[in-house]
Amino acid sequence: DIVMTQTPLSSPVTLGQPASISCRSSQSLVHSDGNTYLSWLQQRPGQPPRLLIYKISNRFSGVPDRFSGSGAGTDFTLKISRVEAEDVGVYYCMQATQFPRTFGGGTKVEIK
Amino acid sequence: QVQLVQSGAEVKKPGASVKVSCKASGYTFTSYGISWVRQAPGQGLEWMGWISAYNGNTNYAQKLQGRVTMTTDTSTSTAYMELRSLRSDDTAVYYCARDLGDLRGFDPWGQGTLVTVSS
Repeated sequence: DIVMTQTPLSSPVTLGQPASISCRSSQSLVHSDGNTYLSWLQQRPGQPPRLLIYKISNRFSGVPDRFSGSGAGTDFTLKISRVEAEDVGVYYCMQATQFPRTFGGGTKVEIK
Repeated sequence: QVQLVQSGAEVKKPGASVKVSCKASGYTFTSYGISWVRQAPGQGLEWMGWISAYNGNTNYAQKLQGRVTMTTDTSTSTAYMELRSLRSDDTAVYYCARDLGDLRGFDPWGQGTLVTVSS
């Protein structure tokens, strides 16, 4: 199985300041079809997860442009350009390059 | 709008079985798969398996093989997840999510179903 490792575990951020979350996979996420199936999800308190980013850097429908994804191979990053109060929650990376799908352990974004 | 609505909370004794339903609306059910993900209290997300709503093909997490069965009823656009021989560490919120095919992301997610296993 592909192991997904996220850092940091927790990220206290001042409102309006940027936040960055790292995700590393135990092996390359490049699929034989040339795509890299790395997505990012947000889980607000008491809510189900929500898709933010798919295939490394594509924002899903309705996702604000302050969220951006980057990376390649085994190293990926989610950035929030200016954190807003509604961004509080836990963020997960997920690989869908191969079965079983696997998630990172999560990064909690909270306001300082 | 596209949504997945899950069945209500369950309390089960160790050794029992539970079957959670996930009713889809707002899209062509057979055009996408459904993945099931669970989240133990205060913990992260664990992928349980996937089913194609088109042809019923499945792929299960190795650790659940033999205890889990995922099915669909295309006449009612509903997916089901049955977990047998329940243990206390199966206590979790169970989510279904639409698998977006070529995008390989999950959206939307159901509201979650809390399954509590306790004697």
